[in-house]
Amino acid sequence: AQSVTQLDSHVSVSEGTPVLLRCNYSSSYSPSLFWYVQHPNKGLQLLLKYTSAATLVKGINGFEAEFKKSETSFHLTKPSAHMSDAAEYFCVVSEGTSNTGKLIFGQGTTLQVKP
Amino acid sequence: DARVTQTPRHKVTEMGQEVTMRCQPILGHNTVFWYRQTMMQGLELLAYFRNRAPLDDSGMPKDRFSAEMPDATLATLKIQPSEPRDSAVYFCASTIGTGGYEQYFGPGTRLTVT
Repeated sequence: AQSVTQLDSHVSVSEGTPVLLRCNYSSSYSPSLFWYVQHPNKGLQLLLKYTSAATLVKGINGFEAEFKKSETSFHLTKPSAHMSDAAEYFCVVSEGTSNTGKLIFGQGTTLQVKP
Repeated sequence: DARVTQTPRHKVTEMGQEVTMRCQPILGHNTVFWYRQTMMQGLELLAYFRNRAPLDDSGMPKDRFSAEMPDATLATLKIQPSEPRDSAVYFCASTIGTGGYEQYFGPGTRLTVT
C-alpha cells in the first residue's frame, strides 16, 4: 500500500533563509507525487507534481522538489523564504495502480517564517 | 481561470438540523471528491464520484451523511441530523481522471454545529 511520511510537523525559518520540508514515501510502483500548500482559512493549492519525467520538479512561488527513488524521498525546497510562505504543506502520493484517482496525504508540515 | 466552487463558505447550525453543502467541479472534470478537515484528524476522504456515480463512500458515517451528484456540474454533501462532532471544514476537489492526476480543491465550507 502507498503511504507518505512528513518527517517534521513544524519547521521554523527566518525570512531569506532556505526552506527544507522533508517527505518520504512508500510505494510498490512508480508513483505520482505532489506537494500542496494550505494558507490559513484557505483551500489546498497545488505547488508542484512529479509524474516520472524529470526528477527535479519546479513549482510555483520558487519551490522545487527532487524525486529520489533510492531514498524514497520527495523533499520540498526553496532557496529563500518569504513571509508569505508561512502555511501548512502536504506531501501527497497517488494511491496506486488501480487508477482510482485517490490521493494519500501526509499529516502536514507547518512552516513558520520569522522576520 | 477554472476553479472549484463551494457554497456556503460558512455555516453555523444547531444540533439536529439538516446541512447541505454544494460543490461545482471544474468543467470537464469527471471525478469529484469530498474531504473533511479537522485539527484532530487532519484531512479525511469521505466519498468520491466518477462520471456522477459514487465509487467509494466508506469514509462517511452512513447513518447521517449522504453524497450525490445530481448532474455533472453539481455535487452535494448532506448531513441529517447534524451533531457537534461534525464541525469541520469540508472540501470538495475535482480531477480530470485517474492515473496520478492532481486534484483541484475548492475553498471549503466551514461548518459549526452548536
